[in-house]
Amino acid sequence: GIQVEQSPPDLILQEGANSTLRCNFSDSVNNLQWFHQNPWGQLINLFYIPSGTKQNGRLSATTVATERYSLLYISSSQTTDSGVYFCAGAVGSYIPTFGRGTSLIVHP
Amino acid sequence: DTAVSQTPKYLVTQMGNDKSIKCEQNLGHDTMYWYKQDSKKFLKIMFSYNNKELIINETVPNRFSPKSPDKAHLNLHINSLELGDSAVYFCASSFTLAKNIQYFGAGTRLSVL
Repeated sequence: GIQVEQSPPDLILQEGANSTLRCNFSDSVNNLQWFHQNPWGQLINLFYIPSGTKQNGRLSATTVATERYSLLYISSSQTTDSGVYFCAGAVGSYIPTFGRGTSLIVHP
Repeated sequence: DTAVSQTPKYLVTQMGNDKSIKCEQNLGHDTMYWYKQDSKKFLKIMFSYNNKELIINETVPNRFSPKSPDKAHLNLHINSLELGDSAVYFCASSFTLAKNIQYFGAGTRLSVL
């Protein structure tokens, strides 16, 4: 299966700061998703982004499929952004493989 | 209304017992999944069903048996529970296997004592 690497593994921000999370894939993926797991454990789908750029409020994501990476941008971070951010990709058989996540803490 | 619902939310049991976790989705999706999240937050797919048919069965002990009575339900039965089964189990669904934007349930935290 594919390998998914996320960086950084941990991130601590002051409220209002911007950040970029990265996801690298060992192979070209035919679908790619970003998720946020909040401190209560709920997993929420943020973006389905096999290629290109999408924006949703303070969050945006860009996937460069030919170079096998995706970026998640968080602008003007808030304490409610805290949690773990996962990316997941699939190739061919559509079995989603998750990265190990970026743990984000936003301090007030 | 909750789109993907799992019950129970917490499950505490003794080694050797048999337990089940239920999952239902009201999104009209064709595909459902079970994931296991370990203590280090690593999420790994266990099973996937498409229109009640088993599609994906990753390397999972055969003590774990999924059952899909209809495409809105995917239950997970676990026999002879072991300490290493302690984890959070997530159910998810997607429109289809190919168009697999994942919608997750709230998770079931299983503790085996």
